[in-house]
Order: sequence, then structure tokens, then C-alpha cells
Amino acid sequence: QVQLQESGPGLVKPSETLSLTCSVSGDSIRSQFWSWIRQPPGQGLEWIGHIYSSGTTNYNPSLKSRLTMSIDTSKNHFSLQLGSLTAADTAVYYCARVNITSFGVVVMDVWGQGATVTVSS
Amino acid sequence: DIQLTQSPSFLSASVGDRVTITCRASQSVRNYLNWYQQKPGKAPQVVIFAGTNLQGGVPSRFSGSGSGTEFTLTIDSLQPEDSATYYCQQSFNTPRTFGGGTKVEIK
Repeated sequence: QVQLQESGPGLVKPSETLSLTCSVSGDSIRSQFWSWIRQPPGQGLEWIGHIYSSGTTNYNPSLKSRLTMSIDTSKNHFSLQLGSLTAADTAVYYCARVNITSFGVVVMDVWGQGATVTVSS
Repeated sequence: DIQLTQSPSFLSASVGDRVTITCRASQSVRNYLNWYQQKPGKAPQVVIFAGTNLQGGVPSRFSGSGSGTEFTLTIDSLQPEDSATYYCQQSFNTPRTFGGGTKVEIK
């Protein structure tokens, strides 16, 4: 059974950098895409970006200037760093596996439980 | 960015009812459209992928239809455990985008 688990600080100060890690078990991180998605309190879902096992990334342009994703195949985990935080970055952050279906359609088919991040002084 | 507009944003229905949720895209996404179910405090789970395909383990009362710019998610014979918020999501291009969500309440 594939499981993803986010880890990181629950509280971060404004202007600082958020670092989250997603640990993957039950599947190899190699040769696959992995995504980050976030959800502000009481709001909808926002795609942050994805990373391939080679390290190739694709970021949401709305966050690109503040965002870095990385991947460590030896540890079977991938990470997110988001800088210059404001209160608007307060959200639940999810990591997810990206599955390319036999139809060629990409779907995020396994999600972590989510990490709640609050940006506040 | 491709905008996805869901309607309604909220619906209340009785057990056994048939409910339909619509997702309209600002441009054609062909069949690159997925549906997710999210229960309070939980991560989303995929229900339908590629417009019409039922994800493994999802009850057959769920179905999806459509292509291009208009899609529907239908729940036949609504059950209490279907109370959740449903989101459509396009994977035609990046940035991936989600609809605003439809909250389904059981009367």
C-alpha cells in the first residue's frame, strides 16, 4: 500500500521560508512525478507544482518566484521550500503521487494526510 | 490558466436521490478531467479520472461524462457516506487547476 506523509513545522513566521518533506513508502520515487497542492482554511485546492524523479520541475507561475522543489531518490522523499511567507500562505499542504493513466491522462491518485501550516508572528 | 467553474456550489439531497454536478472549462481540456471527493479534515481522493473512468474501489453509483469544455459527475442513489465536497481538476496543461468545489449535503 502506497503511503505519503508530509512533515514540517506547523508554525512559520512571516517573511521566513517554509520547508516541507513528503516521505513515500510502498512505492519507489523513481521514474514518477510527485506533486504539492495546498488548501487555505475553508477554501478550495491550489496546485503548487510537481517534480519528476530526475529533478525536473514545473511550478505554478503564481508561486514560481518563491518556490523550490527537490527530490532525494536515496531517501525516497521529495521536498518543498516556499519563501517570503505571508498570512496568505497559511494552508494545509498536501503531497500527492502523479499517475499517468493508460489513457494518457494525469491524475493525483495517492495523497498524504496533509500538513497544516500557519504563518504568524 | 484554464478556469474550471463548478455548479452548483452547494446542494442538499436525500438518500436515494440522483445528483449531478457540472464542471465547465474555459477552453477545451479534451478528456483530461478528473473528479475528487474530499471529506472534512481529510485529503481529496480521486473518484473519476479521464472524464469517465471510475477509480478502483469507488462505488459504481458514481459516474462521469463529458469532454471538451463540459463535464458532469453523477451520483446515482445518494448514500450518507457521499456527503463531501467534490472538485473537478484539469490535467490538460499546467498549471493544473481545480474547480471551486461543490458541497453535497444529505438532508
